Amino acid sequence: QKEVEQNSGPLSVPEGAIASLNCTYSDRGSQSFFWYRQYSGKSPELIMFIYSNGDKEDGRFTAQLNKASQYVSLLIRDSQPSDSATYLCAVNRANAGKSTFGDGTTLTVKP
Amino acid sequence: GAVVSQHPSWVICKSGTSVKIECRSLDFQATTMFWYRQFPKQSLMLMATSNEGSKATYEQGVEKDKFLINHASLTLSTLTVTSAHPEDSSFYICSAVGSGGNTQYFGPGTRLTVL
Repeated sequence: QKEVEQNSGPLSVPEGAIASLNCTYSDRGSQSFFWYRQYSGKSPELIMFIYSNGDKEDGRFTAQLNKASQYVSLLIRDSQPSDSATYLCAVNRANAGKSTFGDGTTLTVKP
Repeated sequence: GAVVSQHPSWVICKSGTSVKIECRSLDFQATTMFWYRQFPKQSLMLMATSNEGSKATYEQGVEKDKFLINHASLTLSTLTVTSAHPEDSSFYICSAVGSGGNTQYFGPGTRLTVL
C-alpha cells in the first residue's frame, strides 16, 4: 500500500462543474496536507494547505480534511479548462519539511 | 513571496560531461531544499534532501557520487550531475522550505538533455 494514494484518473468534468479530487494517506502521524497543481511540462505549484479537520476555502478551491478517516480532498468549483492539470496531494508528519507525494490525479475540464 | 528560481531552465550537454543546476530561494531563507527528478508522464521522484551546512541525504537507489549536492548558504543549493549519460536526461526540480515552516515551494525546473 502506498503511503499517499490518489486515483490516477483521468478525471473529466464539463466546464462549470465541480471537480472532486481525493487522497488517502496511511500514516496517522501526518499533520500537514498540501495540494499542488502541475501543468504538463511544468513544476508543481502550491494551491493550498490544510492542517485542521474540516473545510478550508480559497477562492474556487476547497480543501477538506478528515484525520479520523485519513482522507483529504480538493474541490474545484466552476471548473475551467485552465484547471486541466495533474493535482498532487502531499502529506507531512509533524514538524517535517519532507513531504510524501501521491502520484497525482489528472483532471481534464472540457469546454 | 516564497519564490524559488532555478538556473538554467534547460541544458543540452554531451555524454560524459558534468552539469551544474542552481536552486535559489529569492525572498526567504531555506533551511531545507529538496531535489526531484521527473520523467515524462511519471511521478515526482525525490532524489535527496539538502540541509544548509550539512551533507545531503540521498534516497535509496540514488548515486551520491553521481549527483553531487551542495547547500552552502540559506538561499542556494546546487545539484551537479557528473559524467552525465543519456539516461540522466530528465526534468530536475528543486523545492525549498523556509525556516520553521513545512511547506515546499518549487522552482520552475531544469530540463536536462544528454546527447
